[in-house]
Amino acid sequence: DAMVIQNPRYQVTQFGKPVTLSCSQTLNHNVMYWYQQKSSQAPKLLFHYYDKDFNNEADTPDNFQSRRPNTSFCFLDIRSPGLGDAAMYLCATSSPGAALSSYEQYFGPGTRLTVT
Amino acid sequence: RKEVEQDPGPFNVPEGATVAFNCTYSNSASQSFFWYRQDCRKEPKLLMSVYSSGNEDGRFTAQLNRASQYISLLIRDSKLSDSATYLCVVNHQDSSYKLIFGSGTRLLVRP
Repeated sequence: DAMVIQNPRYQVTQFGKPVTLSCSQTLNHNVMYWYQQKSSQAPKLLFHYYDKDFNNEADTPDNFQSRRPNTSFCFLDIRSPGLGDAAMYLCATSSPGAALSSYEQYFGPGTRLTVT
Repeated sequence: RKEVEQDPGPFNVPEGATVAFNCTYSNSASQSFFWYRQDCRKEPKLLMSVYSSGNEDGRFTAQLNRASQYISLLIRDSKLSDSATYLCVVNHQDSSYKLIFGSGTRLLVRP
């Protein structure tokens, strides 16, 4: 009963070749997030969707884009991957409400991106 | 100053030991606090939310000190399976539902 699913789990792409990572959820949560995590570092928020509203972090490079065609799916597009974009990409969801517990985020297993 | 700071460790403890981690945060208006656990090359998983009054879940106890802006996690009777990185998480100053993650404290429990 997977709740947040990411595909593929491992992705190898060439320098400059566009790549798309996908995330789906069965939780019906209204917020979906994309994080980038490099080795021994904290997950870094790239952007998030609150329902259909897209919210970009100020320091997220233009090279990174996202799409959310419906509640269940969200995509991360990297237009021209560089060597520095090699990382684990994590998708998470939440459903904020009144209770503290509603701000908890649930993560997918991640996609490990290698750029050659 | 980082928004969330943690001692990276590693903390190397024997099985059965009690170990405590602290984490400091910079935004005094933060309202949401969590501890996540992350195994090597895996995703973060929620360990526990941290409530104002402190809370306990089995061998794990979390405390919040708003005056000093720190959060703690205490693990009693450590198991080999507790070996992981523990991430301290606080909500973003701009938004209650955006979270800021610390870099984590690594715990190694030895036989």
